[in-house]
Amino acid sequence: DAKTTQPTSMDCAEGRAANLPCNHSTISGNEYVYWYRQIHSQGPQYIIHGLKNNETNEMASLIITEDRKSSTLILPHATLRDTAVYYCIVLRADSWGKLQFGAGTQVVVTP
Amino acid sequence: DAEITQSPRHKITETGRQVTLACHQTWNHNNMFWYRQDLGHGLRLIHYSYGVQDTNKGEVSDGYSVSRSNTEDLPLTLESAASSQTSVYFCASSGVSTGEQFFGPGTRLTVL
Repeated sequence: DAKTTQPTSMDCAEGRAANLPCNHSTISGNEYVYWYRQIHSQGPQYIIHGLKNNETNEMASLIITEDRKSSTLILPHATLRDTAVYYCIVLRADSWGKLQFGAGTQVVVTP
Repeated sequence: DAEITQSPRHKITETGRQVTLACHQTWNHNNMFWYRQDLGHGLRLIHYSYGVQDTNKGEVSDGYSVSRSNTEDLPLTLESAASSQTSVYFCASSGVSTGEQFFGPGTRLTVL
């Protein structure tokens, strides 16, 4: 499975967009990009996923580069409740159960 | 509303005792998972099940077992608890052919 690289931490001002990068340069054609987050002491929460095209839902947008070697999760208007660890995960289509969580990015949203 | 619950939320036990952590979901999901989370290691997969009577070992399965007798439940058993199994345990479930998993609130287990 492809490995991912994320910054250890980042800060974001409340109300501004938060752009979280993820590098997955060894991703293969049948691997999806999934994003989860974990608010302190809670279980992880699914955010969004994509294969090739950009995706948007009520929580976030996912931008995947054309070569699929990197992606960016965008939280359009960060709130204090978005403070969490964000995980970028590459997942093979035939291994749905095998989420591999790395260290993620600690995002702190400040007033 | 459908949900996934774990019990107990907190447990303290002694080395050598058998411990069972419960996980119950009302999503009617085929797939269920158990993870542990430790400082410095992130979440690691212990066991998973793709349906009734199906169980599979994950990355860190030694010392743990699961059984799946119905769709809703996947209990995790520590046969003989060790201090190295002190951790936070999360259960999750998902539908078929998706990586979107729904996680429970977690169980904090301390083995003394």
